[in-house]
Amino acid sequence: GAVVSQHPSWVICKSGTSVKIECRSLDFQATTMFWYRQFPKQSLMLMATSNEGSKATYEQGVEKDKFLINHASLTLSTLTVTSAHPEDSSFYICSARDRVGVDEQFFGPGTRLTVL
Amino acid sequence: RKEVEQDPGPFNVPEGATVAFNCTYSNSASQSFFWYRQDCRKEPKLLMSVYSSGNEDGRFTAQLNRASQYISLLIRDSKLSDSATYLCVVNRGNQFYFGTGTSLTVIP
Repeated sequence: GAVVSQHPSWVICKSGTSVKIECRSLDFQATTMFWYRQFPKQSLMLMATSNEGSKATYEQGVEKDKFLINHASLTLSTLTVTSAHPEDSSFYICSARDRVGVDEQFFGPGTRLTVL
Repeated sequence: RKEVEQDPGPFNVPEGATVAFNCTYSNSASQSFFWYRQDCRKEPKLLMSVYSSGNEDGRFTAQLNRASQYISLLIRDSKLSDSATYLCVVNRGNQFYFGTGTSLTVIP
């Protein structure tokens, strides 16, 4: 099956720093990637939909200036959490949709962010 | 109204039991349907897609009822390793909508 990787898998940073998370589709091209956030014992919450070569579409309540998304190629999307604060600590998961038109999405392994 | 609604459970069942989960969706234009499994602190993994004709994969059977706008997942002969959260996912266009997940614990 299709493989999606994320890097880093976990990160601890000080409050006020910025953190970049990479999401890569390893064996397929993804025109669309999704970024989710999951707090403990809660469901996945979609943050934004990222289309290659265009601006991301953010869900209501997600600050686009705080969560910068760049989808520069068909295999890479990045999420940058700017000026991170402890309340940004969460599990960030990306997923990618195969451009061939397969309906399902493939998830990366997630990045656990802890902001001190 | 939420796009996708699921009973969060928890469901605690003994090994060998049969357990069923239901999920309802609100938009009749929804196109594709999936069940994902998510283990604690891990990413969701696709369990199976759901079709109107129903589909079966070993001990797992999924069903879609478009008229009533619900999908179901049946697990037979539950194993300890089936303990996880099961997410119902509905697709429409380029959007995926997640249920809150149903927690299953299989007890020895």
